[in-house]
Amino acid sequence: DIVMTQSPDSLAVSLGERATITCKSSQGVLFTSNNKNYLAWYQQKPGQPPKLLIRWASTRESGVPDRFSGSGSGTDFTLTISSLQAEDVALYYCQQYYTTPLTFGPGTKVDIK
Amino acid sequence: QVQLVQSGAEVKDPGASVRVSCKTSGYTFSDYYLHWVRQAPGQRLEWVGVVHPTAGSAGYAQKFQGRVTITTDTSTSTVYMHLRSLTSEDTAVYYCARPLDTGSYSSDFDHWGQGTLVTVSS
Repeated sequence: DIVMTQSPDSLAVSLGERATITCKSSQGVLFTSNNKNYLAWYQQKPGQPPKLLIRWASTRESGVPDRFSGSGSGTDFTLTISSLQAEDVALYYCQQYYTTPLTFGPGTKVDIK
Repeated sequence: QVQLVQSGAEVKDPGASVRVSCKTSGYTFSDYYLHWVRQAPGQRLEWVGVVHPTAGSAGYAQKFQGRVTITTDTSTSTVYMHLRSLTSEDTAVYYCARPLDTGSYSSDFDHWGQGTLVTVSS
């Protein structure tokens, strides 16, 4: 199984400041035939299912604010919130969909400082 | 619009079984695999398995092999997850989830059910 890790476990950022979360996979999730990284990022708020923010490591989903961006390739990935807003307080998970079993990171809690 | 509506919360005794349903609408049922993902309290999301909407063939995480069955009812566009021999470690919110891409077995998810809390306690 591909093991996903995230850091930090939690972070507190001032409103308007940058928040950065990293995700690592135990194996590469880059499919060389199409040059796509099978890595997604989700936001989850209490009592709600996850919401897809970014897929293919860097493609923002429709309707997701452009302050959210994803980068990275192979085994190392980053989710950046460029200017934290109050509504961004949530848990953030990465997920690999390169192969089954699909696996998720442990989550990073983002809060306001 | 796409909707995945799950059945209500369940409380079960250890050793019992539970069946959770996920009724879909707003899209062509046969075009998308359906997955089940669970989340135990304070834990990461955990993939349970996936089913082809019409063929009924399913794949499961090794951890659940022999204990879970995922089925579909094409007449009602509903997916079911049946989990047997429950223990307290199965206490979790169970989500059905639909991939973003048609025909995609291994995928990310853009539509989720609201979640069903299954509590296993004596």
